[in-house]
Amino acid sequence: DTGVSQDPRHKITKRGQNVTFRCDPISEHNRLYWYRQTLGQGPEFLTYFQNEAQLEKSRLLSDRFSAERPKGSFSTLEIQRTEQGDSAMYLCASSTGGNQPQHFGDGTRLSIL
Amino acid sequence: SQQGEEDPQALSIQEGENATMNCSYKTSINNLQWYRQNSGRGLVHLILIRSNEREKHSGRLRVTLDTSKKSSSLLITASRAADTASYFCATDAEGNTGKLIFGQGTTLQVKP
Repeated sequence: DTGVSQDPRHKITKRGQNVTFRCDPISEHNRLYWYRQTLGQGPEFLTYFQNEAQLEKSRLLSDRFSAERPKGSFSTLEIQRTEQGDSAMYLCASSTGGNQPQHFGDGTRLSIL
Repeated sequence: SQQGEEDPQALSIQEGENATMNCSYKTSINNLQWYRQNSGRGLVHLILIRSNEREKHSGRLRVTLDTSKKSSSLLITASRAADTASYFCATDAEGNTGKLIFGQGTTLQVKP
């Protein structure tokens, strides 16, 4: 399967802990996007990369959030000092460029105890 | 923040019937896209319609776009139980970011 893969699928952690998620995009896609989705809502944009460059960050992305795509391939999203409000599904998507369809992974569901 | 609204929020139909979902948005766009999401899964791209297009077909799907009214509709013909899912419209704003702004979605249930 050459789709977008995300790891882990589920993460349960205590409030205050740090968590890191990984996304492996489709190999020839130079754009990579992170979204967050809460129950009953559509996904909300967090940030995106063109190759290794992070080009835009949403105001939703507080200082506790950081994302990297060091070699322009896989990406990581880290949340430090997690809070209850961080509980959500974190989705990664990739594409060949702007104005193109995005291919989504199955997400990482984060639950904060 | 969400771009706009989808209508209805929930739709329940019998297999074989047609399903129509509507989406409104607020800003100028490059394109509008429709995605499907099965419970607990990621989103699957269905169709992309560009701002200079008015109608597009893909299999049993028909999408219309009215940029003067800032609205779009998705029609699924001859629905099947496997079409049961949430459907989201997403707008790709002008510029080249590719950043998608999603609506809140329509939950479709197709009864066998």
